[in-house]
Amino acid sequence: DAGVTQSPTHLIKTRGQQVTLRCSPKSGHDTVSWYQQALGQGPQFIFQYYEEEERQRGNFPDRFSGHQFPNYSSELNVNALLLGDSALYLCASSLEGDRGIGTEAFFGQGTRLTVV
Amino acid sequence: GDSVTQMEGPVTLSEEACLTINCTYTATGYPSLFWYVQYPGEGLQLLLKATKADDKGSNKGFEATYRKETTSFHLEKGSVQVSDSAVYFCALKTNAGKSTFGDGTTLTVKP
Repeated sequence: DAGVTQSPTHLIKTRGQQVTLRCSPKSGHDTVSWYQQALGQGPQFIFQYYEEEERQRGNFPDRFSGHQFPNYSSELNVNALLLGDSALYLCASSLEGDRGIGTEAFFGQGTRLTVV
Repeated sequence: GDSVTQMEGPVTLSEEACLTINCTYTATGYPSLFWYVQYPGEGLQLLLKATKADDKGSNKGFEATYRKETTSFHLEKGSVQVSDSAVYFCALKTNAGKSTFGDGTTLTVKP
């Protein structure tokens, strides 16, 4: 089992550009959550996808959008990049079909996004 | 909104010392509580969890008890090892599936 895989591992973009980050969940998981982690801080919840729909969203602007595919993989898109979007973006997968709130999240290694 | 507050670090201990990392939370309803750990060069991984009041989570010698009356979930270990050096994150997850993390506490254990 490869666990949660994210691509790319590092990315450099210019302010104003758009970026797409990708995540493949752990085998058997049906839910993907995305987080932004700034240096020295904890992960900040962006949104969660289940059954190809956004189920929960944190306090992030509409420039942040996502998608979940039928195979449960997911993409995070960020438009009109700002310098402040530079961070580590983490994907986590879990099995949430039965809405068990105690379900463990498995994290990927993250994508380091630098906006210049 | 929901929030998690962890004791500020970094924390430096000698091997075999006792560890407590404080964590308090604010949330509506009855969240599940988690401790995640990030070892150097690795991704976040679950250390332990508790899903209801008075539950005790435990793993690798670490323990934490879900205290609803004090809205706390303090992490404890009786005797730390050098291999426990890592960043520890306290987190909560609401019934709706939204997670909130603390800012992390860096633990360094010296031989």
